[in-house]
Amino acid sequence: EAGVAQSPRYKIIEKRQSVAFWCNPISGHATLYWYQQILGQGPKLLIQFQNNGVVDDSQLPKDRFSAERLKGVDSTLKIQPAKLEDSAVYLCASSLAFRDRNNYGYTFGSGTRLTVV
Amino acid sequence: SQKIEQNSEALNIQEGKTATLTCNYTNYSPAYLQWYRQDPGRGPVFLLLIRENEKEKRKERLKVTFDTTLKQSLFHITASQPADSATYLCALVPRRALTFGSGTRLQVQP
Repeated sequence: EAGVAQSPRYKIIEKRQSVAFWCNPISGHATLYWYQQILGQGPKLLIQFQNNGVVDDSQLPKDRFSAERLKGVDSTLKIQPAKLEDSAVYLCASSLAFRDRNNYGYTFGSGTRLTVV
Repeated sequence: SQKIEQNSEALNIQEGKTATLTCNYTNYSPAYLQWYRQDPGRGPVFLLLIRENEKEKRKERLKVTFDTTLKQSLFHITASQPADSATYLCALVPRRALTFGSGTRLQVQP
């Protein structure tokens, strides 16, 4: 089966600019996650979707970050305006229905490496 | 506060030896714990899931233990190979989605 697709792979922007990341999860996976991974740290959850609804966005900096999953499939994560501390890898993951979350692992994409200068 | 702790220092071992990685957690009561492998420039890859009542789980050369009294999981790779060199992450499900430790880098020397 095809994996989780993310684009772009790399992005360099200046602070205060905006940027968007795209994710296409595994077909049939109802749950989609965006994680932020700063160098040397583990992934940190930003937002979780179940189909096209938000389940958890408690750690999303909503003054600058936004995410949507309009048709319950693809998702976009946006940062506007970017800060230097947003430099990180942004990982998208998907899993089967939320009720199966403890029986199966997540499938991650390769991520987008963002550098803010 | 809730914490997941993994040894931040890299673990260096010789090929053929058993690698043991530790995951400790505080202020969590997870029913499940997962282990992932992450290679440079790639996303984490799911390896194993263990439930609180399972104590031990095996998959090929991998073994995971889960001690809810000690609040600790051990991850073992037997007969390690240079191809096992990677960062290994443990993850818990305290609320709605996986919460990850910072990972331990394993380097297997030929």
